[in-house]
Amino acid sequence: SQKIEQNSEALNIQEGKTATLTCNYTNYSPAYLQWYRQDPGRGPVFLLLIRENEKEKRKERLKVTFDTTLKQSLFHITASQPADSATYLCALDGTGFQKLVFGTGTRLLVSP
Amino acid sequence: DVKVTQSSRYLVKRTGEKVFLECVQDMDHENMFWYRQDPGLGLRLIYFSYDVKMKEKGDIPEGYSVSREKKERFSLILESASTNQTSMYLCASSLGAGGGDEQFFGPGTRLTVL
Repeated sequence: SQKIEQNSEALNIQEGKTATLTCNYTNYSPAYLQWYRQDPGRGPVFLLLIRENEKEKRKERLKVTFDTTLKQSLFHITASQPADSATYLCALDGTGFQKLVFGTGTRLLVSP
Repeated sequence: DVKVTQSSRYLVKRTGEKVFLECVQDMDHENMFWYRQDPGLGLRLIYFSYDVKMKEKGDIPEGYSVSREKKERFSLILESASTNQTSMYLCASSLGAGGGDEQFFGPGTRLTVL
């Protein structure tokens, strides 16, 4: 069956450290993968997109990697801050035509 | 900035009522989406529209219908609300220019069906 898996347990890290979140998928062949941030009670906000022919993408303190052999994307936040505390969702084009399939998200807690 | 607005942040309805959730986007996007989000299940696509009057079922369309009479507005209709439709409902839009378009989300409507 098709699955997108993100760690359901919250990730707790200290301010200043690098947070690494994982997104694994099964039985999909995505052309791209996106990452979103969601704060409690709000809609998700787009952060980054990475295409299947790209190994890595960066934006400020964010870095995303995409390994189509391992069927995995890693999302890194360097020099993390308490304001980075949120739930992070990965999404891929699982069923075509600009529709996204979302993972369940991983909650990140950055403590001062 | 793209803005996606939803008609209500919180809504309480009774079982059997007809419920309308409205979504409006102001950036001339082609695509609009309705999702529901439940703990442990994540975001699940209910319906998708890629043009005015065009719609496509998502993963969980049962018990829902949609209407898109104008490009900027996409409505989700619960014909006869049931308690298992209690959820957070999120509307989104995307440009429709090609693969990889980011989706812009509204703030969500938390619907409770009693």
